[in-house]
Amino acid sequence: DTAVSQTPKYLVTQMGNDKSIKCEQNLGHDTMYWYKQDSKKFLKIMFSYNNKELIINETVPNRFSPKSPDKAHLNLHINSLELGDSAVYFCASSALRGAQYFGPGTRLTVL
Amino acid sequence: AQTVTQSQPEMSVQEAETVTLSCTYDTSESDYYLFWYKQPPSRQMILVIRQEAYKQQNATENRFSVNFQKAAKSFSLKISDSQLGDAAMYFCAYRKDYGGSQGNLIFGKGTKLSVKP
Repeated sequence: DTAVSQTPKYLVTQMGNDKSIKCEQNLGHDTMYWYKQDSKKFLKIMFSYNNKELIINETVPNRFSPKSPDKAHLNLHINSLELGDSAVYFCASSALRGAQYFGPGTRLTVL
Repeated sequence: AQTVTQSQPEMSVQEAETVTLSCTYDTSESDYYLFWYKQPPSRQMILVIRQEAYKQQNATENRFSVNFQKAAKSFSLKISDSQLGDAAMYFCAYRKDYGGSQGNLIFGKGTKLSVKP
């Protein structure tokens, strides 16, 4: 019974392709996030959703589009992939005044 | 804007010894949370310990404890009786308290901890 799950864990694709990463949490949390970890291990927020509504949208290219069909899911769709998009993408969720719990991460490699 | 600084890119400790990882942060807020996350080679982000800014008492979780100095904006992590499994990247993180579940984490750049047998 994984708390926050992501699929796929590895994604290798060609430049210019479109891909999606799915995230699901079974913790009953209201808020979900997408973080990006670059090659130097630095983690930065990309998006945050609260009860299916977008509340944080950092300076991210509009090729990245999050979608939240319901409170338990937050998917990330990326159009026209570029070499610089190669990174590890983490989904996370948080409860009221609580810590954030992370999925296992998706390593995206753009060739 | 809030920032988190970890000044030690790498640290090393002998098995069974104690090590302290440093973290400082900058914020003008009075209500916030601080966290330490561990990222082993498996890349899973694991919550180690959490501290609410309004609590004066330092948080403790088994062998892990923090030294929270609010006025100095310092939040160090002490690992006692270090084990080989403690070897990982450790991230300090800050989160503003919005009163709800919202609030993204702001991370430091991490400290890579090695444990020598």
